[in-house]
Amino acid sequence: EAGVAQSPRYKIIEKRQSVAFWCNPISGHATLYWYQQILGQGPKLLIQFQNNGVVDDSQLPKDRFSAERLKGVDSTLKIQPAKLEDSAVYLCASSPKYEQYFGPGTRLTVT
Amino acid sequence: DAKTTQPPSMDCAEGRAANLPCNHSTISGNEYVYWYRQIHSQGPQYIIHGLKNNETNEMASLIITEDRKSSTLILPHATLRDTAVYYCIALLTGTASKLTFGTGTRLQVTL
Repeated sequence: EAGVAQSPRYKIIEKRQSVAFWCNPISGHATLYWYQQILGQGPKLLIQFQNNGVVDDSQLPKDRFSAERLKGVDSTLKIQPAKLEDSAVYLCASSPKYEQYFGPGTRLTVT
Repeated sequence: DAKTTQPPSMDCAEGRAANLPCNHSTISGNEYVYWYRQIHSQGPQYIIHGLKNNETNEMASLIITEDRKSSTLILPHATLRDTAVYYCIALLTGTASKLTFGTGTRLQVTL
């Protein structure tokens, strides 16, 4: 069974630029999550989708972050414009019911 | 979700059992105990979860005290590949819910 795929794996941008991350969850998993992990900390949820609907986006900085899940499968997370404090690993996870399966993450560096 | 407390770090010799404790004294009756681990530069990996009874799978065993105020994750024969940060998380339901990660326990397995 293929795991959660994410791209790109690494991205370096300058502050005020835009960036987008892509996630392909495990086939059949209805729930998809985006987490942000700052160096030295545990992951923090940004947004949770159930199929293509948003379940929880309470911790998503909506003035600069946006996310969508088209047709209830793939998802993209966008940051526009990026700030220095957005430097982190962005993790995508999907879940069939109980456990979550994480992708390898995208490491974003904002300079 | 109940707060969990874990020691910041532990060491274990390769081949020996690694016993990772977690305190969740305020856990409610319908909160599950989940364990995930994160190997360096990878996304978190689900290990095991339980409600009341002890659980075992191919990766580990989970021992939950009768009063459910604490639990222990047991890796029966630790290897160098088990070196990781281990997170104990209490979740309100057993279905797909956001994970609130603490700082976890950094387990170092040594020769």
